[in-house]
Amino acid sequence: DQQVKQNSPSLSVQEGRISILNCDYTNSMFDYFLWYKKYPAEGPTFLISISSIKDKNEDGRFTVFLNKSAKHLSLHIVPSQPGDSAVYFCAASVDSGGSNYKLTFGKGTLLTVNP
Amino acid sequence: NAGVTQTPKFRILKIGQSMTLQCTQDMNHNYMYWYRQDPGMGLKLIYYSVGAGITDKGEVPNGYNVSRSTTEDFPLRLELAAPSQTSVYFCASSYSFREKLFFGSGTQLSVL
Repeated sequence: DQQVKQNSPSLSVQEGRISILNCDYTNSMFDYFLWYKKYPAEGPTFLISISSIKDKNEDGRFTVFLNKSAKHLSLHIVPSQPGDSAVYFCAASVDSGGSNYKLTFGKGTLLTVNP
Repeated sequence: NAGVTQTPKFRILKIGQSMTLQCTQDMNHNYMYWYRQDPGMGLKLIYYSVGAGITDKGEVPNGYNVSRSTTEDFPLRLELAAPSQTSVYFCASSYSFREKLFFGSGTQLSVL
């Protein structure tokens, strides 16, 4: 049962344009969402996060939008740069209390930004 | 700062062999994790630890063991390697559950 879904395996955009990466989730208990970026032969690196009490969070060129009613979040990159070419993972967590850890990753979307 | 360091980067095992994947972090994080990533899939949690001496199973713990004797180190042990354990393994650490994870660069493991 895939609780975090990234339905687009890949996305190609032109340099300078907007990149929009989408993520859907099924577990309504998820209350904290993160995006990670991964280059080949490297580990994922944290990009941006959002709590369920917000609907938008910005960090420079990166903005994450959360639509709780639709159980959908998206990552916008504006303007896109060739160095943004990487696999982007959406992840979601639920606060189960105590030491019960629960973080679920999507399968990832390969973004290619063409010069 | 080295961050999270994993060794080895690559390894080929024969079926039935055992090995230990090493992971160390220098950020004094209490929380450490082992994930595996199969081709075209997301990361699956194998084991995690909330501090020295405390470990717990994740989604896919079968065939693996861990220990956490120090804050810095969190080795992953594969006993009786099987082809299904062919994957890329990532170690990660964080200040707390709700904080961002810092990942190592991964270990590419093939079991033939």
